[in-house]
Amino acid sequence: SQTIHQWPATLVQPVGSPLSLECTVEGTSNPNLYWYRQAAGRGLQLLFYSIGIDQISSEVPQNLSASRPQDRQFILSSKKLLLSDSGFYLCAWSSLGQVNYEQYFGPGTRLTVT
Amino acid sequence: AQKITQTQPGMFVQEKEAVTLDCTYDTSDQSYGLFWYKQPSSGEMIFLIYQGSYDEQNATEGRYSLNFQKARKSANLVISASQLGDSAMYFCAMEIGGSQGNLIFGKGTKLSVKP
Repeated sequence: SQTIHQWPATLVQPVGSPLSLECTVEGTSNPNLYWYRQAAGRGLQLLFYSIGIDQISSEVPQNLSASRPQDRQFILSSKKLLLSDSGFYLCAWSSLGQVNYEQYFGPGTRLTVT
Repeated sequence: AQKITQTQPGMFVQEKEAVTLDCTYDTSDQSYGLFWYKQPSSGEMIFLIYQGSYDEQNATEGRYSLNFQKARKSANLVISASQLGDSAMYFCAMEIGGSQGNLIFGKGTKLSVKP
C-alpha cells in the first residue's frame, strides 16, 4: 500500500533562517507531487507541483523553492524565512494512472516563524 | 478565473441528523472534477468524494453524497446520520490545470457535531 511521510511534524524557526521540509512517498512510482500551504483561517494554496524528477512548476511567486531529487522525494526549501511563511504545509501525491487524480495527503508540517 | 466558494465558515449539527455543506465553483472549462476533503484537528487531509463534470449521477460514498447541480455550479456535500467523529474542517476543491491534477480549494467549513 502507498504511504506518504512528511517531516518534521512541527518546526519553529526565526525570521531569516533557512528551511527544508521533506516529503517521501512509498508504494508507488512516478507520482505527481504537490506542496500546499494552509494559513490560519484559509483554504489550501498550491505552492508547487511536480510531474517528474527535476520537473517543478511554481504556482505562486515567493521566497520558497521546491526540488525533486528522486522520484518519490519532494523537498520544500527557503533560504530566508519570512514571518508570512508561517502555516501548515502539506505534501500530497496523485497517480497519473488515476482517472480523477484523487490526491493523498501527508500528515503535514506546522511551521512557526518567529 | 477558476474559484471555489464555501460560504459557511462554521456549521452545527445534532448527532444522527443530516447536514449539507455548501460549495459553489466557477470555471470556464467543460471538463472538470470536484472533490471534498475532511481535515480533522490532526491536520491530515482525508479524501471523501469525487464528482466528474460529465457524471450524470450524483456521487455517493457511504454516508457522504454530493449534490451536484451543474447549471447552478454547485457541489454541496451531504453527510447523513452525523457522528461525533465527523466534527472537522471540510474543504471543497476543484481540479484545474489539465493533466497535472492540480486542485484549488475553498476556505473550508468547520462542522461541529453536537451529542
